[in-house]
Amino acid sequence: GAVVSQHPSRVICKSGTSVKIECRSLDFQATTMFWYRQFPKQSLMLMATSNEGSKATYEQGVEKDKFLINHASLTLSTLTVTSAHPEDSSFYICSASSGANVLTFGAGSRLTVL
Amino acid sequence: RKEVEQDPGPFNVPEGATVAFNCTYSNSASQSFFWYRQDCRKEPKLLMSVYSSGNEDGRFTAQLNRASQYISLLIRDSKLSDSATYLCVVNPFSGGYNKLIFGAGTRLAVHP
Repeated sequence: GAVVSQHPSRVICKSGTSVKIECRSLDFQATTMFWYRQFPKQSLMLMATSNEGSKATYEQGVEKDKFLINHASLTLSTLTVTSAHPEDSSFYICSASSGANVLTFGAGSRLTVL
Repeated sequence: RKEVEQDPGPFNVPEGATVAFNCTYSNSASQSFFWYRQDCRKEPKLLMSVYSSGNEDGRFTAQLNRASQYISLLIRDSKLSDSATYLCVVNPFSGGYNKLIFGAGTRLAVHP
């Protein structure tokens, strides 16, 4: 079946630094990928839709200059958390469309900002 | 009002019990409905889609009531391995565009 690889699975960084998270579709091409964020005991919140070859579409309240998304190829999307702060600590999960109404999720990246 | 609402639980049930989860959604134009399962600190995984006529997959039965904007999941003969958070998920878009809206999840704990 379809596999989405997400890296790193866990990252700890200092406040003010930037962190890049990669999301790769391993055996299929994904023109669209989605980035979610999940705080403890809360639902997954869609942050943005990553579109191959064009700008990402951000959800209301998500700062595009803080959460940089690049989808340069059909198998790779990256999310960069710029100037990270402790309140950005969260579980970030990507997903990719592997068919109509079929989403495959990456294993998630747990970010801790000290 | 949240787009997808669920009872957060937790539901603590013994092995072999039958348990039901409910979910309501606010967008009456929503097209597709799913139940996902999420284990602690893991990514969500698709459990089953929910069809208008209702559908069953082994011990799991899903129902959809479009008029009431209500979705349910019934788990029969609960196993210890069923312990997880169950996420009600709605796709308000048609045409295969997979922008999913997640509920906050209902936590299930099955004990011996």
